[in-house]
Amino acid sequence: AQKVTQAQTEISVVEKEDVTLDCVYETRDTTYYLFWYKQPPSGELVFLIRRNSFDEQNEISGRYSWNFQKSTSSFNFTITASQVVDSAVYFCALIGQAGTALIFGKGTTLSVSS
Amino acid sequence: EAQVTQNPRYLITVTGKKLTVTCSQNMNHEYMSWYRQDPGLGLRQIYYSMNVEVTDKGDVPEGYKVSRKEKRNFPLILESPSPNQTSLYFCASSHIPGTSRRYNEQFFGPGTRLTVL
Repeated sequence: AQKVTQAQTEISVVEKEDVTLDCVYETRDTTYYLFWYKQPPSGELVFLIRRNSFDEQNEISGRYSWNFQKSTSSFNFTITASQVVDSAVYFCALIGQAGTALIFGKGTTLSVSS
Repeated sequence: EAQVTQNPRYLITVTGKKLTVTCSQNMNHEYMSWYRQDPGLGLRQIYYSMNVEVTDKGDVPEGYKVSRKEKRNFPLILESPSPNQTSLYFCASSHIPGTSRRYNEQFFGPGTRLTVL
């Protein structure tokens, strides 16, 4: 069975702090895709990143960075110098090689205060 | 603009009154899917479709129906809504997930907030 665990239910930080959102996954597939989505208070799902299982290169996009480690089945997301606009629910998701559904974690609610 | 549209965005209805939530995509995607989002449970798949006239159950299909008569449309039908179907619903589309070389991401619609009284 496939599973995504986001152990942090809620995180609160003050602006300009760095914050890391954890994601641990389980799958028996050798090929799979991992995703992060952001859900702001308005409710839509905003795609942030996709990572293939065969590409372990970490990625940086502005203040966002992602650390993919197959050895620990983790795909963590770091926001550097957080801002109030980063306040949202963040979902990690997985789909396997022959998958028919994205498997979502339960989400981490990030609150950034000024 | 590539997009997935859903209508209505907000709906308040009463128990037992049939309703349809429409979903349409303009990216020529083969795969379409419906998810529901509930507090503390994340998103769970209701139904999916790999192509026209091909649909299958997801994790929580009870109380829902779907159809895929055209590639671009994938309506979600609640024949007799009940209060436990109060939720935020998302439609998604993509190229065939998994082994498809063209698979990139699932594009999500803006969501439909449904309240069943």
